Parts: sequence; C-alpha cells; structure tokens
Amino acid sequence: GAVVSQHPSRVICKSGTSVKIECRSLDFQATTMFWYRQFPKQSLMLMATSNEGSKATYEQGVEKDKFLINHASLTLSTLTVTSAHPEDSSFYICSARDAASGITNTGELFFGEGSRLTVL
Amino acid sequence: QQQVKQSPQSLIVQKGGISIINCAYENTAFDYFPWYQQFPGKGPALLIAIRPDVSEKKEGRFTISFNKSAKQFSLHIMDSQPGDSATYFCAASRRNSGNTPLVFGKGTRLSVIA
Repeated sequence: GAVVSQHPSRVICKSGTSVKIECRSLDFQATTMFWYRQFPKQSLMLMATSNEGSKATYEQGVEKDKFLINHASLTLSTLTVTSAHPEDSSFYICSARDAASGITNTGELFFGEGSRLTVL
Repeated sequence: QQQVKQSPQSLIVQKGGISIINCAYENTAFDYFPWYQQFPGKGPALLIAIRPDVSEKKEGRFTISFNKSAKQFSLHIMDSQPGDSATYFCAASRRNSGNTPLVFGKGTRLSVIA
C-alpha cells in the first residue's frame, strides 16, 4: 500500500524553541494532507487540513500562528510548532489520500508513523 | 459534540474468543466507515472499511457489521490472538475523497490474553 513518511519520529526540545515535522507521501501525490494530534491513551484529534498551494484550514481551537503548516508540493507538508511549551508535548500524526483516487476509488487515508514531541 | 461514539473503552478477551467493538454515529451524511488499528508509538493502520450500501463486510478474521437505520457499526474479530492486542479506532467521514477528514471514535484498548 501507499506509504506516508514522517520525520522526525521523536524530537525533544527546550521550551521556547520551534520544531518542524515533515510529512511525505512516498509513492503518490496528495493535494490534501491532514494533521492530527494524539495525547496518551486518547483519540486522534484533527488539527488542520493542509492544502497544496494554499493556506491550511485549522480546526476550532487550534492556533494557526502556533502550528504553522506549509504544503509546498504534492508530496510534502510540514508542521512547525513555534515557541513550543510543555503542554505542546504530544504525538503528531499526518495522513494523506492519493490525489488520483476519486469518489469511485477507495480513497483510503494513509497515516504516517507519527512524531512524538517532548518539550522540556 | 462527539460525532462518533465508541465502546467499550477497554476490552479483555481470551485467545480464540471473539472481540466486539461498537460505534454509533450521529451525522446521517457520513458514508464511509473505516476501522483503524494502532500499536503503541505507531500511526494508525487501516484494518477494514465499509460503505452504507452493504450491511456486512468480512476480511479474514475481521468483520464489520453495519446498521444504517440504527446508525451503528461494529467490528468483530474472530479467533482473537495476542497479536491483535492494540487500540482500535472506528471513524467516519462524509465522503472518502478529496479534503474530507476522518472523525475518530475515542478508541478501544483490546488485550487478548492466552
């Protein structure tokens, strides 16, 4: 199946620094990627929808100036956590759907392996 | 407002038994219902999915049962194995294409014991 790669898988940073997480679709093009956040033993909460070539759409309560999303190409979206604080420590997961799959296709949503951010 | 309600929160099943996880949704516009399996420290992986035009879908030991009138769907894992121990999430979306995200249930932590 299609592969979505995230990097880094783990990152530890000091409070106040910024961290960039990359999400790549390795064998398909994705006009849209989704960023989720997952706290321990909890569900995946949608943070934002990343659209190639345009601004991301953020869910209610998610600060767009804190979680910067850039979707510069059909295979890469990045999430930058700016001025990170301990409460931003979480598991961040991206997902993408093959742009070639339409309504008639499965349109399966593929998830990356996740990036665990720990802010000290 | 929780759009997809999942139960139970945790489940312990004997090896060889049947694991059953239930989900209910509210939005009648949802037309795609996948189940994801997640192991600790990993991203979720699609297990099986169903659309509302069928009432049941089976893939190997995994079966989804779908009740459109009740707005409920469930995952059945037959002959449960210790390797099935993971967290399972049901999800739903309006249309599985384009920029439609998935809405997830809260998850069920399954433990299969020998």
